[in-house]
Amino acid sequence: EVQLVESGGDLVKPGRSLRLSCIVSGFTFGDYGMSWFRQAPGKGLEWVGFIRSKAYGGTTEYAASVKDRFTISRDDSKSIAYLQINSLKTEDTAIYYCTRSNSGIYERTDYWGQGTLVTVSS
Amino acid sequence: QAVVTQEPSLTVSPGGTVTLTCGSSTGAVTSGHYPYWFQQKPGQAPRTLFYDTNNKHSWTPARFSGSLLGGKAALTLSGAQPEDEAEYYCLLSYSGGRIFGGGTKLTVL
Repeated sequence: EVQLVESGGDLVKPGRSLRLSCIVSGFTFGDYGMSWFRQAPGKGLEWVGFIRSKAYGGTTEYAASVKDRFTISRDDSKSIAYLQINSLKTEDTAIYYCTRSNSGIYERTDYWGQGTLVTVSS
Repeated sequence: QAVVTQEPSLTVSPGGTVTLTCGSSTGAVTSGHYPYWFQQKPGQAPRTLFYDTNNKHSWTPARFSGSLLGGKAALTLSGAQPEDEAEYYCLLSYSGGRIFGGGTKLTVL
């Protein structure tokens, strides 16, 4: 059974940094790309970014709104995808979801995690 | 940045048919936008229904179909069930990234 479990969400002050984790099971993590999405409270979904599998260079893509502060990485030995968020802003308050892509090179989201809540407030 | 538009809300009768659409401010939506459709129920994570216009996942009910219709991406529900009441989001790909529509709240009533 494919499972994705996010963690690392917290209440943090503006300007701080946070690293979210997405640990997966039920599939060979290294063969797949991974994505992050977010959803502000009561709002719609927003695409954050995508990381390809190592076979395709592990390259990343980001939404323009986050590319200067967000970094997606992966540790295939641990089956974990990460989202590093720097210089947090109040508008980053959201549930952050990780998803699996059913391709190593193209973003084709299939499975979703349950999300982790990040609250940015002084 | 492009704007992706969806109907804010739609209502369908049980057993009825409804089509949700997804348009782009840049012009006609094509297969090159790799349209996605997601379903989200209150308090739950989204679920992917379709990718690349009309490719469904194993969990996508057969009563849903994806297509391109009149310059937009479309999600058609034929034979609506009470459990289909949810928010539906489309996602389009552009050279600069991927952009969601604002979502359609579908009521089955």
